[in-house]
Amino acid sequence: QLQLQESGPGLVKPSETLSLTCTVSGGSISSSSHYWGWIRQPPGKGLEWIGDIYYSGTTYYNPSLKSRVTISVDTSKNQFSLKVSSVTAADTAVYYCERRSTSGYNWFDPWGQGTLVTVCS
Amino acid sequence: DIQMTQSPSSLSASVGDRVTITCRASQSISSYLNWYQQKPGKAPKVLIYAASSLQSGVPSRFSGRGSGTDFTLTISSLQPEDFATYYCQQSYSIPLTFGGGTKVEIK
Repeated sequence: QLQLQESGPGLVKPSETLSLTCTVSGGSISSSSHYWGWIRQPPGKGLEWIGDIYYSGTTYYNPSLKSRVTISVDTSKNQFSLKVSSVTAADTAVYYCERRSTSGYNWFDPWGQGTLVTVCS
Repeated sequence: DIQMTQSPSSLSASVGDRVTITCRASQSISSYLNWYQQKPGKAPKVLIYAASSLQSGVPSRFSGRGSGTDFTLTISSLQPEDFATYYCQQSYSIPLTFGGGTKVEIK
């Protein structure tokens, strides 16, 4: 059964870079049938898609965050990562990693358990 | 960007009630619409994909309908474990976007 697990600092200072890693177990990140990505949810609010990556390195980003976001993949470690630069309090959220099919009809499944990142000095 | 609008934003219902949640897209998205359930402190899980297809393992009391711009999620007989927040999401175009959520509470 495929599982995703987020890891990274829970506290980041304003203006610094948020860095998270998602480790994939029970399957290969080199699947030609899936994208791997990130979604965030500020406390008490809704869901925002950040972006995703194909194992070859092709990326898709939400234009609202594109200038500050980098998603990368390490197939040797079966991991992918998220970096968000120049963070502010508005970036405080639970960050989820997820998988999405490359087929026409696609959806997010599975999801990681989520990790709370707080931006605070 | 395609805007997804859910209604109502919250509702109160009793066990056994039939509940319907609506999701409207700002432009036609054909059947590229998914529904998720989220319980407090947990990640969302997909219930319905492609507007009306039931994800494996999801109880048959959940159903989805619609195409174009208007969609519904129906719970035919609300169970205690169904009290949660529900989100719609379009997969028609990048950026992928979610509705604002509907919180289903116990009456």
